[in-house]
Amino acid sequence: ETGVTQSPTHLIKTRGQQVTLRCSSQSGHNTVSWYQQALGQGPQFIFQYYREEENGRGNFPPRFSGLQFPNYSSELNVNALELDDSALYLCASSRSMNTEAFFGQGTRLTVV
Amino acid sequence: GIQVEQSPPDLILQEGANSTLRCNFSDSVNNLQWFHQNPWGQLINLFYIPSGTKQNGRLSATTVATERYSLLYISSSQTTDSGVYFCAEDNYGQNFVFGPGTRLSVLP
Repeated sequence: ETGVTQSPTHLIKTRGQQVTLRCSSQSGHNTVSWYQQALGQGPQFIFQYYREEENGRGNFPPRFSGLQFPNYSSELNVNALELDDSALYLCASSRSMNTEAFFGQGTRLTVV
Repeated sequence: GIQVEQSPPDLILQEGANSTLRCNFSDSVNNLQWFHQNPWGQLINLFYIPSGTKQNGRLSATTVATERYSLLYISSSQTTDSGVYFCAEDNYGQNFVFGPGTRLSVLP
């Protein structure tokens, strides 16, 4: 059984650009959540997808968007990058809502 | 939404010492997890413990849901235990709300 994998592991982008981060959920998991973790802080919820539908969203602007595919993998897209978007982006998958979540290794995004 | 507090914020131990980390919640506990974040950023699952007590080697955890708190015990600490420990609670089934973390440093 493979765990949650994220790609890429590191990324450097220029302010104003767009970025796509990817997450492959653990086998048998239909729920994927994305979190942003700034340096020295706990992860903050961005949004959750359950069976390809957005199931909740945190306090992030619309330029943060996502997708979940039929195989339950997911993408996080961020448009018009700002310097404050520099952070570790974490993806978590779970068998369903209200169940144990497992995290990927994260994508470290730097916006310059 | 639910608020999560963790204490202490920082902890420095000598190798071999024991420690207790605490997590307090502002609302009912339904889906609590403890994580260890390694130096590379990955969150490692330690316990899924909505209630009761669990043990895994040198680590154990207890959640008292009625009193809205959870404790993580680390015994005979090792340098590899260093890192940040987070507790997180499910926010009415939608997402995890994380505490600010406890940064643990274990000195040789």
